[in-house]
Amino acid sequence: AVQLVESGGGLVQPGKSLKLSCSASGFTFSSYGMHWIRQAPGKGLDWVAYISSSSGTVYADAVKERFTISRDNAKNTLYLQLNSLKSEDTAIYYCARGYNWGDWFAYWGQGTLVTVSS
Amino acid sequence: QITLTQQAESLWVSPGEKVSITCRASQSLLYTDGKHYLSWYQQRPGQTTKALIYHASIRTDGVPTRFIGSGSGTEFTLSIEDVQPEDIALYYCLQTLKKPSFGGGTKLELK
Repeated sequence: AVQLVESGGGLVQPGKSLKLSCSASGFTFSSYGMHWIRQAPGKGLDWVAYISSSSGTVYADAVKERFTISRDNAKNTLYLQLNSLKSEDTAIYYCARGYNWGDWFAYWGQGTLVTVSS
Repeated sequence: QITLTQQAESLWVSPGEKVSITCRASQSLLYTDGKHYLSWYQQRPGQTTKALIYHASIRTDGVPTRFIGSGSGTEFTLSIEDVQPEDIALYYCLQTLKKPSFGGGTKLELK
């Protein structure tokens, strides 16, 4: 069965950095595009970034100068590097499996909480 | 940037009833391949977010037939016939024609 497990969240001060991971299993990770999505407490879903199977990337305007999505196909792991964190980045961060750009988000992880606060 | 609007923040329903959740896009989600790039998702506490419908009307594997996606252009609907207690959840639409964007969500609640 497809499984996505996020990790790396926690409490971080404004301006600091954090790196999230998403461990994938149950499918050929290298063949699929992957997404990060976030959800602020009590709010809706907000798309963050996409990486294709060939490591092409697309970012939401709100994060493109601060966040970096990457992948390690040998480790079946997706990453999100969060830099210059702001209080408005506080959210649960989910990874999701797509396929090609434009495809729906077929599978999601359970999320990891990032709290940005002094 | 495409904006998706789910007009209803909450809908109340009794088990066995039919309910419809609407999603309106700021521009057509029809691509030149003839497909609409609109999908629907269910979010329940303690569970991973689940994809229900893609390309506006195609159910994903294992989704019960009581979930029906319809619509075209800029207007889309997720209908749930014979609502079951386990359908009480948050529902989101998503467009992937351009940079992905979600609707604001509709919370389905029991009367």
